[in-house]
Amino acid sequence: AQTVTQSQPEMSVQEAETVTLSCTYDTSESNYYLFWYKQPPSRQMILVIRQEAYKQQNATENRFSVNFQKAAKSFSLKISDSQLGDTAMYFCAFMKPEETSGSRLTFGEGTQLTVNP
Amino acid sequence: EAGVVQSPRYKIIEKKQPVAFWCNPISGHNTLYWYRQNLGQGPELLIRYENEEAVDDSQLPKDRFSAERLKGVDSTLKIQPAELGDSAVYLCASSSGRAGNGADTQYFGPGTRLTVL
Repeated sequence: AQTVTQSQPEMSVQEAETVTLSCTYDTSESNYYLFWYKQPPSRQMILVIRQEAYKQQNATENRFSVNFQKAAKSFSLKISDSQLGDTAMYFCAFMKPEETSGSRLTFGEGTQLTVNP
Repeated sequence: EAGVVQSPRYKIIEKKQPVAFWCNPISGHNTLYWYRQNLGQGPELLIRYENEEAVDDSQLPKDRFSAERLKGVDSTLKIQPAELGDSAVYLCASSSGRAGNGADTQYFGPGTRLTVL
């Protein structure tokens, strides 16, 4: 079974600064996908970024980028130029693709990020 | 394009009462998921549907939980009877379920917050 660990329950950052959220995972699989989801107080789980394990290049989406270290089983999220709207709970998630369509996500316990003005 | 729709957003019931949650996935999405999110934790999969078929229900407490997706579109999750420990947020997600792609991105609804008194 796969496990996902987020060791930072809470973090804070000043507006416009950069913050990095940590995530480690444990798996024996060689092919898998990793995700960061954001959950604001509205509870809507929103996809931030996705990384395929077979790709060495780190994924980037505007102000969001990841540092994927496959050997170390580490998948951190960097948020640049933090904005007040980035305040939310951030979840790291692992997916082992199934032969059929769709697969379960295994989530970490989350990191509450607060962006201060 | 409309996102995943869930209702109700909030539900408060007495223990031993029944409760039902409804989910309408994104149009054209064949795969539907129900997750449960306990306070301060990441979501955990309860059941996954491929069209009408429940293909992963290993985490569903079958003594009191049931789910259906009769026409392969919207879905209902039921708890009967509810227990105090069932208080949680119930999230529905969907993905396109393209054949041969076992790593579809999942899109989540806003969830239903259940409180059992």
